[in-house]
Amino acid sequence: SQQGEEDPQALSIQEGENATMNCSYKTSINNLQWYRQNSGRGLVHLILIRSNEREKHSGRLRVTLDTSKKSSSLLITASRAADTASYFCATRGGANNLFFGTGTRLTVIP
Amino acid sequence: KAGVTQTPRYLIKTRGQQVTLSCSPISGHRSVSWYQQTPGQGLQFLFEYFSETQRNKGNFPGRFSGRQFSNSRSEMNVSTLELGDSALYLCASTFQSGGDQETQYFGPGTRLLVL
Repeated sequence: SQQGEEDPQALSIQEGENATMNCSYKTSINNLQWYRQNSGRGLVHLILIRSNEREKHSGRLRVTLDTSKKSSSLLITASRAADTASYFCATRGGANNLFFGTGTRLTVIP
Repeated sequence: KAGVTQTPRYLIKTRGQQVTLSCSPISGHRSVSWYQQTPGQGLQFLFEYFSETQRNKGNFPGRFSGRQFSNSRSEMNVSTLELGDSALYLCASTFQSGGDQETQYFGPGTRLLVL
């Protein structure tokens, strides 16, 4: 399976702290994307990083990609209660479908 | 633009029945993908349609089928429902199929419960 794994499965932090979650995948990729899901609703795209990029920023989000280790990390700085959600990495290989990781459940305590 | 819409939002069926779920993509988007999300298996790709043609298919039994209409709206059908089909079914649309910069825009999902 191309499905990735995320670590940790669950993370609980205080508001204002940084949150880091990691994603590992199995096959070569064209790009890796991170999505957020609130309470079993639809997914919201956060950021995309291409296979030839190593780091990308978007607001309070920072994503790194290490293709040699087949891993990526998502850092959310200065977390807020509204960041409470599940976060998924997704990889796009040769076909057009996305393969999603298992997700990290983030809880930000006010 | 309006987002991706899915109907119905909630559905309760019994084993053996069939169900049809509908997805309307963002205006101008021609590619629609379907995903199944369960606590045990996570998010799994079902199939993708582009310009009324199935472009890609995941590893699901033939009971799962779909189609896309000329206005890009898509339906998926599950026949002979099983308890394990209980899941959140998500639809996502993109402008075009095949571009590696394309991100997918997801609908709110249809939650199906099979009793």
